[in-house]
Amino acid sequence: DIQMTQSPPSLSASLGDKVTITCQASQNINKYIAWYQQKPGKAPRQLIRYTSTLVSGTPSRFSGSGSGRDYSFSISNVESEDIASYYCLQYDNLYTFGAGTKLELK
Amino acid sequence: EVQLVESGGGLVQPGRSLKLSCAASGFTFSDYNMAWVRQAPKKGLEWVATISYDGSSTYYRDSVKGRFTISRDNAKSTLYLQMDSLRSEDTATYYCARHVGDGSADYWGQGVMVTVSS
Repeated sequence: DIQMTQSPPSLSASLGDKVTITCQASQNINKYIAWYQQKPGKAPRQLIRYTSTLVSGTPSRFSGSGSGRDYSFSISNVESEDIASYYCLQYDNLYTFGAGTKLELK
Repeated sequence: EVQLVESGGGLVQPGRSLKLSCAASGFTFSDYNMAWVRQAPKKGLEWVATISYDGSSTYYRDSVKGRFTISRDNAKSTLYLQMDSLRSEDTATYYCARHVGDGSADYWGQGVMVTVSS
């Protein structure tokens, strides 16, 4: 089974900051990684698929990059509506989520 | 508009069974692989099972193999999860989700809570 190590577990940012979350897979996942946003009491919302493809409706301040085992997700110019938890998902071999990152306002 | 609406959750004793349903609308259900994903209280997301568009292939995480069965009725645009021999660690909100072409999951339901407790 592929393991996904996501860091950091929590992040504190000011409005307008740039933040970055990383996920490292236990093996090459061939760029098959997606990123999700989840607000309390709500279902996850897909933001990015296949490493860097923004899904329809995702603001351009969100971005993703990476290859092989190492991937990152960034939010430039953090807005108040971005306060949420974020999860990576590998779907190269079955499916594994990262443990999540909780983004809070400083 | 794509909609996924789960139902069937509730409180159940350890060792008993429960069947979840997910009613889909707004897209051609029979064209898509579907999944169940769960989230224990205050914990992260955990993939549970996936079924192919025609029901011919199913995949499960190890901890539910032999206890859970994913199925679908394309005529009714409905996804199911039969959960047997339930354990306390199965307590979670269960989401159904639609897989898109590359395999990731785009649309999710609002979730249904399952509590396993005596």
